[in-house]
Amino acid sequence: EDQVTQSPEALRLQEGESSSLNCSYTVSGLRGLFWYRQDPGKGPEFLFTLYSAGEEKEKERLKATLTKKESFLHITAPKPEDSATYLCAVVNYGGSQGNLIFGKGTKLSVKP
Amino acid sequence: EAGVAQSPRYKIIEKRQSVAFWCNPISGHATLYWYQQILGQGPKLLIQFQNNGVVDDSQLPKDRFSAERLKGVDSTLKIQPAKLEDSAVYLCASSFRTGSGGANVLTFGAGSRLTVL
Repeated sequence: EDQVTQSPEALRLQEGESSSLNCSYTVSGLRGLFWYRQDPGKGPEFLFTLYSAGEEKEKERLKATLTKKESFLHITAPKPEDSATYLCAVVNYGGSQGNLIFGKGTKLSVKP
Repeated sequence: EAGVAQSPRYKIIEKRQSVAFWCNPISGHATLYWYQQILGQGPKLLIQFQNNGVVDDSQLPKDRFSAERLKGVDSTLKIQPAKLEDSAVYLCASSFRTGSGGANVLTFGAGSRLTVL
């Protein structure tokens, strides 16, 4: 069964304190791995798609990397506005292209 | 561009009552999705449409949930009768890419929060 596990469940950082969020996955043929950001009361907002091991993508203070078993979302010098829940999701070749299998998310809090 | 519109934002009903949620996707997006997000969980796909047709409804509880997308634009998700475990946020999403190979990038609406008492 395809599965996505995110850790930690919650992370508290001081402003400027860099860290990483982990997403480990088991899937029968990875079509793509997604990172989304979700603010309270809002829908998930797309951040990155990664397709193959070794791939990296960056956006402002965020950098996503992918291996054959996991993905990391690195946050460099975070600011309070980076506080949100970060969701990881995979799509496999067996399912439809829109069937994202999500993890439970990591709730990030950045204190000034 | 305008985002994915959903209504109502909040709904409270008694168990065994019915409820309907409406979604208007981004203009030009052929593919529309309904996801269910229970508190503390990641979203789970209920149904995927491409234009008017259903692509995937394998996780839709068909004894109580139904969805339609008339004219390939707006969509409605209905629950009848509702159960306590249906309390969740119902997220609508749409995507442009529907071709083979890669994975679709979904744009989500703000969601409709359902509370079943």
